[in-house]
Formats: sequence, C-alpha cells, structure tokens
Amino acid sequence: DTGVSQNPRHKITKRGQNVTFRCDPISEHNRLYWYRQTLGQGPEFLTYFQNEAQLEKSRLLSDRFSAERPKGSFSTLEIQRTEQGDSAMYLCASSSTGENGKLFFGSGTQLSVL
Amino acid sequence: GESVGLHLPTLSVQEGDNSIINCAYSNSASDYFIWYKQESGKGPQFIIDIRSNMDKRQGQRVTVLLNKTVKHLSLQIAATQPGDSAVYFCAEKAAGNKLTFGGGTRVLVKP
Repeated sequence: DTGVSQNPRHKITKRGQNVTFRCDPISEHNRLYWYRQTLGQGPEFLTYFQNEAQLEKSRLLSDRFSAERPKGSFSTLEIQRTEQGDSAMYLCASSSTGENGKLFFGSGTQLSVL
Repeated sequence: GESVGLHLPTLSVQEGDNSIINCAYSNSASDYFIWYKQESGKGPQFIIDIRSNMDKRQGQRVTVLLNKTVKHLSLQIAATQPGDSAVYFCAEKAAGNKLTFGGGTRVLVKP
C-alpha cells in the first residue's frame, strides 16, 4: 500500500457525461501528478501540482479536462463531455521535493465511456 | 483477459532463473531513471532507481544497469519468483519534475 488513494476505482459513464475523480496523496508529499494509461501502454503524463499550483500540463490535456488541488492536499480531475477515446486508467501519484522524481502511484480509476 | 490488440513484449522465464529486462530511453538529457512493476489492476510500484552519475545499482534481488553511451537501461531480477510476474516499465526524468515512461515488458514466470 503506497498510501495514495484514488476514488472511485471504476467508473462507467455514457458519452457526453461529465466525470470527476479524486486523489488523496501521501500526506507529507507536496507534489501530485495525474497520468493516463491505456491497455498495453506506459502511463502518459497529464499534469502536476506543487502544493496548490498547477505547474505543468501536457498537450494531451484538452480543454475538456481540468484538474484542481485547491488546498494543496487532495486533487480532482474532471472530464467534461466524455468521449469513447477517454476510456483509460487514470493514475494519480505523489512525491516530495528532493525525492529525485520517485513517484508513488495509487491504484487508479478505470474509466469506461460507452 | 487481454485485448487482441495488446502487443507488449513478453519475457517468459523459468522460476529460479534470472531475468533481464531491457529499455532504450530517448532523451540524452535524462538524469534519473526508475523501474516500476505493475500488476493487473494496480498502479505502478517502485522497484529501483538510478541517477545518471552511476552505472549500476543493486537492491534486493534486483540490479539496474545504465549505459549512457547507448542510452540503455536494464533490470536484472535474480532467482525469479512467481510473484515477479507483472509488467515492468522503465521511466526517465529530464528537466522538470515529470517521469516519462517506456512501453513496458511483460514477465511471465513458469513454475
């Protein structure tokens, strides 16, 4: 158990609906990351926060995607107007400054868009 | 079950034998590398890391080798066990604080 908690574990939604995922990082970690993983592929970076500031966003993160970390603790990732191509595992990870980049991952939220 | 379209390289190894998993990375500016293990339905789990100023690092039953000249990383698992069956990813970090992952290798341990 890495200590990174993600909810829900699974989400099935219809195309066009909005979904929101939550991530609770390891409590002493100030950095939080979102990745997306499709079957047979490595995780792809989406965005990361240091405390409450969103410092980097991937070009993969279209304007339908938004992430927040309002108090520098938990984070939410929202996808608006979901498309079938959004179906993937959404992984959250956290790390602390000075960890060289070692990320600790949660178990992910598996999204299926029908 | 697996998708018909899944094309992960697969390494089949006999229980008790040593495993070697290879990874080619792309960014010569990368200064930190990690190997992760991912079991079905779980997130990636840290195995071992290495900084670019090192060539080799050993952990418990695992060794990572880094060859910066040819941008190659390998993970050696000694005395492979059934619990080592998983998908293994290498990841690299260049400027900034994000990791970039490779495509993964599936390890199947035969009893």
